[in-house]
Amino acid sequence: QAVLTQPSSLSASPGASASLTCTLRSGISAGTFGIYWYQQKPGSPPQFLLRYISDSNYQRGSGVPSRFSGSEDASANAGILFISGLQSEDEADYYCSIWQSATWVFGGGTKLTVL
Amino acid sequence: EVQLVESGGNLVQPGGSLRLSCAASGFTFSTSWMAWVRQAPGKGLDWVANIRQDGGDKGYANSVKGRFTISRDNAKNSLFLQMNNLRVEDTAVYYCAKDSSGSLDYWGQGTLVTVSS
Repeated sequence: QAVLTQPSSLSASPGASASLTCTLRSGISAGTFGIYWYQQKPGSPPQFLLRYISDSNYQRGSGVPSRFSGSEDASANAGILFISGLQSEDEADYYCSIWQSATWVFGGGTKLTVL
Repeated sequence: EVQLVESGGNLVQPGGSLRLSCAASGFTFSTSWMAWVRQAPGKGLDWVANIRQDGGDKGYANSVKGRFTISRDNAKNSLFLQMNNLRVEDTAVYYCAKDSSGSLDYWGQGTLVTVSS
């Protein structure tokens, strides 16, 4: 079982909201580093979106709009990237990541389609 | 403006070697952790290695340990990745990234490494 599991795809309508999940394998915690989220548009390198440690402790990357926020579902051992007011420009691949056993681990990514 | 520019990607045969470079500007390179992350065609992100500011601490993914070596030259604001004994599965775009307290907050455009006979 992968360390981080993300749904392969998600579709939502413009103006709606989307919740992208990142499920941590049982027994694994994001720890004090938290969960990191990245956005990658076709043909471009990834862009850091935000780091989530807790509801009172998370940071967005430079220039990232407040429409992007983080949360967690402790019961599911999952991190969540929440995007409100979806725009066509939000169509991209989204990756979560954690620091685990002295290595950075990435989830497989979720392709978000806005249509 | 932070800029990271990778170079050195090429077509190489299995078992061959390649050295990637990353030229950094727009930030204080010598005070930043740096990392290499790769992405195989049509696949997700795969962390390769990282290096501390002074080069004294390095980390590697298990898949490249013993074959790849990360290094840096703070005087030249440059990051390197020496890749030996390359395998077909190492084929990917290799990104250089600035590591800021754990977040990879800036990325280069990447350089393509193709391992094929």
